[in-house]
Amino acid sequence: NAGVTQTPKFRVLKTGQSMTLLCAQDMNHEYMYWYRQDPGMGLRLIHYSVGEGTTAKGEVPDGYNVSRLKKQNFLLGLESAAPSQTSVYFCASSYSLGTSGVTGELFFGEGSRLTVL
Amino acid sequence: AQTVTQSQPEMSVQEAETVTLSCTYDTSENNYYLFWYKQPPSRQMILVIRQEAYKQQNATENRFSVNFQKAAKSFSLKISDSQLGDTAMYFCAFMKYSGAGSYQLTFGKGTKLSVIP
Repeated sequence: NAGVTQTPKFRVLKTGQSMTLLCAQDMNHEYMYWYRQDPGMGLRLIHYSVGEGTTAKGEVPDGYNVSRLKKQNFLLGLESAAPSQTSVYFCASSYSLGTSGVTGELFFGEGSRLTVL
Repeated sequence: AQTVTQSQPEMSVQEAETVTLSCTYDTSENNYYLFWYKQPPSRQMILVIRQEAYKQQNATENRFSVNFQKAAKSFSLKISDSQLGDTAMYFCAFMKYSGAGSYQLTFGKGTKLSVIP
């Protein structure tokens, strides 16, 4: 029962470094999302994807890029990390709401804590 | 754009007692979903309960129930017979049913609930 798996779970970067967070889901979900969680802010959507090869911007996309080359994977990239990107990042996935019996529930990974010094 | 407001940053309840967490939202949509997610110290987000806006009957899941007031745009969560394992952050979330921006969760800032032995 892997569900949604995020790697790495912890990472420390220096300002200006780049990195990629990987999200993998084994539930054959069409939709995938990247959220960031900051104290007192709840979760905010960075980017999302409604299918393989498609991506779209969410609420706070600046400084991030994403790719969905395979249906099961959704990558979040930071090209030049900044201290403001210190956060906990959550990946999630879901079925399309058009799918019969779908409840709209998002399934989340365990989060990745990123610190930018 | 939708907004979700949780007016209680922190709450506490004695074990076995009942507690109600408040949530209000603002939207011009008629069809949508509402959710309560739980985030225990382990950090992973877990769905507690969901409500479709077109359903007048309040959702119930074991000890968890909601009071959904569509006209008032209110969606409170009641936890009965509170248990120590209910200690967590609770997030209220909104999802549009269709159209631009659908399938994305908009979260409130969360309520930290502590269950006291």
